[in-house]
Amino acid sequence: EAAVTQSPRNKVAVTGGKVTLSCNQTNNHNNMYWYRQDTGHGLRLIHYSYGAGSTEKGDIPDGYKASRPSQENFSLILELATPSQTSVYFCASGDATDSGNTLYFGEGSRLIVV
Amino acid sequence: GEQVEQLPSILRVQEGSSASINCTYENSASNYFPWYKQEPGENPKLIIDIRSNMERKQTQGLIVLLDKKAKRFSLHITDTQPGDSAMYFCAAHRPNAYKVIFGKGTHLHVLP
Repeated sequence: EAAVTQSPRNKVAVTGGKVTLSCNQTNNHNNMYWYRQDTGHGLRLIHYSYGAGSTEKGDIPDGYKASRPSQENFSLILELATPSQTSVYFCASGDATDSGNTLYFGEGSRLIVV
Repeated sequence: GEQVEQLPSILRVQEGSSASINCTYENSASNYFPWYKQEPGENPKLIIDIRSNMERKQTQGLIVLLDKKAKRFSLHITDTQPGDSAMYFCAAHRPNAYKVIFGKGTHLHVLP
């Protein structure tokens, strides 16, 4: 089975501090994604990447940066964390083909910004 | 357009009855429609999917229907059990596109 691991699983950060969420996948998938999940909003796409060295803005990129240094790793960076970024963050990997794109999600990272 | 609308947002059913979740999509080029189940405290996992060359697919108590003309697809859970209580997300995907467009989710409660 596909394996996507996230760290840290839980984080409390102070307002204005820097937070880095890391994601590693062993599926050799080209595409990786960062979503946040909030009640009433479902899964919202923050950034995604289609390969090492690439990062693309998703639907809600403001306040976030991303980094894809290798096929396996994709990080989400909050340079100046704010309380509105308190959420559960999911990383996912997948391969877009002409017949579909099944996503494999990590276990999630719960971030609280105080 | 790239929106996927999912209804209802909350669904309560009696154990043993069936549950239905409906989604509509905007982009007629979409050809892949997965459904993900997210149990409390866990990550979303694929449970069933359907491609545009099919109208119906069934597996282990789950049925998905696709109406391409209406740009509508649905998930039907027969004989619901407490273990079916979870959040369900539908999604739509265009060929070779990087983005997967998710609905906002349906919180299914199966009542004893």
